[in-house]
Amino acid sequence: GENVEQHPSTLSVQEGDSAVIKCTYSDSASNYFPWYKQELGKGPQLIIDIRSNVGEKKDQRIAVTLNKTAKHFSLHITETQPEDSAVYFCAATPSSGSARQLTFGSGTQLTVLP
Amino acid sequence: SQTIHQWPATLVQPVGSPLSLECTVEGTSNPNLYWYRQAAGRGLQLLFYSVGIGQISSEVPQNLSASRPQDRQFILSSKKLLLSDSGFYLCAWSVGGDTQYFGPGTRLTVL
Repeated sequence: GENVEQHPSTLSVQEGDSAVIKCTYSDSASNYFPWYKQELGKGPQLIIDIRSNVGEKKDQRIAVTLNKTAKHFSLHITETQPEDSAVYFCAATPSSGSARQLTFGSGTQLTVLP
Repeated sequence: SQTIHQWPATLVQPVGSPLSLECTVEGTSNPNLYWYRQAAGRGLQLLFYSVGIGQISSEVPQNLSASRPQDRQFILSSKKLLLSDSGFYLCAWSVGGDTQYFGPGTRLTVL
């Protein structure tokens, strides 16, 4: 099955700096890679996703890059703000099956220091 | 727009007691539904998923079971809770096997 590794487990940045979170996956059949943001006591919220036919995707201050050859993908947050502080999860899933079974990374606790 | 509800929001139960958590989705038809568990400070573990009424797939053998009595209702149950069942339970939905959207979660504490 799929295995997703996520690094770092904790990340502290100064407000206004950039943050980068990296994930690697094991199953070369995986073709969908979402990123979720989870605030304390709440359910994860999808912030951006990328499919294997695309190398990069941006949405305002957030971007995701995908390297299929190396089987890794990264989340980039620019101009960080205190409200970006949360736990971020990456995930991967193969295309087979009618219900995509997401495999999640272990999460990154991002703290943006004012 | 689609909305997903979970209740209760928090629950404290003694060891050996039964459990019933409910999840409902509004604004969509024939969704895929999922139950995840998140232990403190850990990632998300898929417990069950369902592609239709009465169709349940289990990912991890355990003390829990799931049922889908209606198209947009997903229930997580246990006959006898264990201490290890404590955690944050999340329901999610998707359409066409694509992006999953999560509910607000239920915090379960077993004492």
